[in-house]
Amino acid sequence: KAGVTQTPRYLIKTRGQQVTLSCSPISGHRSVSWYQQTPGQGLQFLFEYFSETQRNKGNFPGRFSGRQFSNSRSEMNVSTLELGDSALYLCASSSRPTGPYGYTFGSGTRLTVV
Amino acid sequence: GQQLNQSPQSMFIQEGEDVSMNCTSSSIFNTWLWYKQEPGEGPVLLIALYKAGELTSNGRLTAQFGITRKDSFLNISASIPSDVGIYFCAGRSYNTDKLIFGTGTRLQVFP
Repeated sequence: KAGVTQTPRYLIKTRGQQVTLSCSPISGHRSVSWYQQTPGQGLQFLFEYFSETQRNKGNFPGRFSGRQFSNSRSEMNVSTLELGDSALYLCASSSRPTGPYGYTFGSGTRLTVV
Repeated sequence: GQQLNQSPQSMFIQEGEDVSMNCTSSSIFNTWLWYKQEPGEGPVLLIALYKAGELTSNGRLTAQFGITRKDSFLNISASIPSDVGIYFCAGRSYNTDKLIFGTGTRLQVFP
């Protein structure tokens, strides 16, 4: 069973640019969550999607957005990049967002903003 | 952003020793999860807890869901070098329904 796949693994962007990250969940999983991980702030929740609908959203500015497609694949977009957006972006999938289901994480996309 | 209080922040122990770490929250949680993260990888789920008072083991790892629903503990017995990594607790609260992560415990094991 393939795990959670995130692409690309590494990305370097310039301030002011925008970026799109992709996440393919485990087959059959319909819930996808995104997290930002930095050394200073740890793992911060960005948003969660289930069946193409955003269920929950963290405390990030509107520059951070996401969506989920009918095949459960998800993308997140960051516009007008800032230096502070440099982080490891992790995607996690689950069968359902609540109940006795653990989250499986991908290896992440490391974004560096210069 | 919202985070759980996890302690200790780091541990340096000798191979064979037992390890204990815990997480506390100001909110009542209905789910506690424990993850391990190694360099360059995403967190890997170790143990999941869904009921207050629940005690669950996974090999040398044992975790408990506190009866107050505001804390959880992870114990590692007879540590080995491959236990090295960062351990995160994560909880989902009734209020927000979001999965919130602890600040992590960095474990180093010396032979």
